[in-house]
Amino acid sequence: SYELTQPPSVSVSPGQTARITCSGDALPKQYAHWYQQKPGQAPVVVIYKDSERPSGIPERFSGSRSGTTVTLTISGVQAEDEADYYCQSADSSGTYPYVFGTGTKVTVL
Amino acid sequence: QVQLVQSGAEVKKPGASVKVSCKTSGYTFTTYSMHWVCQAPGQRLEWMGWINAANGKTKYSEKFQGRVTITRDTSASTVYMELSSLTSEDTAVYYCARERLWTNNGMDVWGQGTTVTVSS
Repeated sequence: SYELTQPPSVSVSPGQTARITCSGDALPKQYAHWYQQKPGQAPVVVIYKDSERPSGIPERFSGSRSGTTVTLTISGVQAEDEADYYCQSADSSGTYPYVFGTGTKVTVL
Repeated sequence: QVQLVQSGAEVKKPGASVKVSCKTSGYTFTTYSMHWVCQAPGQRLEWMGWINAANGKTKYSEKFQGRVTITRDTSASTVYMELSSLTSEDTAVYYCARERLWTNNGMDVWGQGTTVTVSS
């Protein structure tokens, strides 16, 4: 199987910057997307194709890539950003075309 | 506006099958694919499979291959996911989520989720 690895948790104070990483061998060749999921709700895409932000998503959300790691950055974190975040991508062979990361719980202190 | 409205919660016995619907509105049905994603209690999101709404072609996760069937009714702009041979491990919330065909833009709209409970 193909794994996308994320830290289980990230804690950040309001107004500070949160960085969530996602590591996978195929990430240099495959786009990654990021989803935010609040308790009891469906996921919402906050970044697609590594760094594109959908309309309606605040500018404080940004994405970047470096080698086998993609990063979701939340600048000036607000209390409403407390949620689970998942990256999603694919392996390089096409055997696993849609894989979600292990998930990161962002806690706003 | 774009909406994906899923069918209601289900309770099934082990060994049974469940069929969940996802009725779409507000966009051209055949210009998108539809994914099904499940989430067991306290667990991560897990991709189950995908259907091209234009031509009906499907692809399934290795984990669910042989137990999951995704179909669509273009006249009703609705996608269905059927999961058979249920066990307690299939207790989860099941989501449909669309992705524009041939773009790899990610899943931009999700249904509200359908809770399936498998219990004897």
